Amino acid sequence: NAGVTQTPKFRILKIGQSMTLQCTQDMNHNYMYWYRQDPGMGLKLIYYSVGAGITDKGEVPNGYNVSRSTTEDFPLRLELAAPSQTSVYFCASSSAGYYNEQFFGPGTRLTVL
Amino acid sequence: ELKVEQNPLFLSMQEGKNYTIYCNYSTTSDRLYWYRQDPGKSLESLFVLLSNGAVKQEGRLMASLDTKARLSTLHITAAVHDLSATYFCAVARYGGSQGNLIFGKGTKLSVKP
Repeated sequence: NAGVTQTPKFRILKIGQSMTLQCTQDMNHNYMYWYRQDPGMGLKLIYYSVGAGITDKGEVPNGYNVSRSTTEDFPLRLELAAPSQTSVYFCASSSAGYYNEQFFGPGTRLTVL
Repeated sequence: ELKVEQNPLFLSMQEGKNYTIYCNYSTTSDRLYWYRQDPGKSLESLFVLLSNGAVKQEGRLMASLDTKARLSTLHITAAVHDLSATYFCAVARYGGSQGNLIFGKGTKLSVKP
């Protein structure tokens, strides 16, 4: 049981490039989330999904896109990367229900130069 | 708008001492979570607090929730070096989308011999 896995671990992008951050969970969780963490700050929600085919915006969605075609996978797409997107990105998942404890992946450290 | 404030943001403690981290939030909520993050690592769930007066303990850490005061505390008893980490509280929006959490900025705890 690997939990939540993310790839890549590190990435450097040039301004204007695009990339997809991958996230997979093997806990059969309905809910999945993407957060970003800037230095000295807490996490901010980018997008979340309550099931395959259903996604919604979080606090800071601009510059990102998501899709959810399966229960297991929730990729995050960055289009036209900007320096402001330099951050650590965490994917998380949780089961449906009131308790809703979120389990986090190891993170992807992204630098945009 | 739900806002979450933690204090202190930095805490340097001696081993064996006790201390409390505070988490205040600005609007009604019924769920509060505490996470631990080691440097360069992901977030680990510590406690899930679901009701007023909830108290949970794990080892040297004890968390409590007062929903009327909109306050949660994380109490550290007889600190040891292994507790050095950043601790985040996260609050769920009451009646909001499932799992939509607002994180505090985190308290960076350093326990010195």
